[in-house]
Amino acid sequence: GEQVEQLPSILRVQEGSSASINCTYENSASNYFPWYKQEPGENPKLIIDIRSNMERKQTQGLIVLLDKKAKRFSLHITDTQPGDSAMYFCAAKGGNEKITFGAGTKLTIKP
Amino acid sequence: GGIITQTPKFLIGQEGQKLTLKCQQNFNHDTMYWYRQDSGKGLRLIYYSITENDLQKGDLSEGYDASREKKSSFSLTVTSAQKNEMAVFLCASSIRTGDTQYFGPGTRLLVL
Repeated sequence: GEQVEQLPSILRVQEGSSASINCTYENSASNYFPWYKQEPGENPKLIIDIRSNMERKQTQGLIVLLDKKAKRFSLHITDTQPGDSAMYFCAAKGGNEKITFGAGTKLTIKP
Repeated sequence: GGIITQTPKFLIGQEGQKLTLKCQQNFNHDTMYWYRQDSGKGLRLIYYSITENDLQKGDLSEGYDASREKKSSFSLTVTSAQKNEMAVFLCASSIRTGDTQYFGPGTRLLVL
């Protein structure tokens, strides 16, 4: 099956700076890469996704990059705010249609 | 819009007990999923179903059974609860497998 590695597991950045989370996957047939944000006590919510026919996607302060050759994708949060503090999960959909999640990154924005 | 409901919200069981969790969605989505989330950790796929009466094993299916009785509902059974087990079970659905998944509020399990 697919394996997704997500780093770092803990990330603390100053308010206003950017935060970056990186994920790698193993199955070159994977073609869909969603990112989820989970706040304490809440269920995960999709914040942005990218398909394998794109290398970059941007929406509302979020940028995702996909490097299919390196089997790597990343989330970049620009101009971070306190409300961005949460757990973030990357995921990859393998050729067998299962979605595999990364272990998560706990992001804390320092005021 | 639609909604995913999970029952019960909290579930306390005894070691060795068989426990059933239920999930309903009114999005008319084809695919439904069950995930387990341990405290501070990622999501692990237990079972998913691409249509009514279909069942596909995830990475963590051992110790669980599932049933897709109809398109709108997907139930999960913990076949023998383990002592001191504590986790959140999340149900999700998507139009088709691989599309955006919408999550339910979760069922919190505690086994005494």
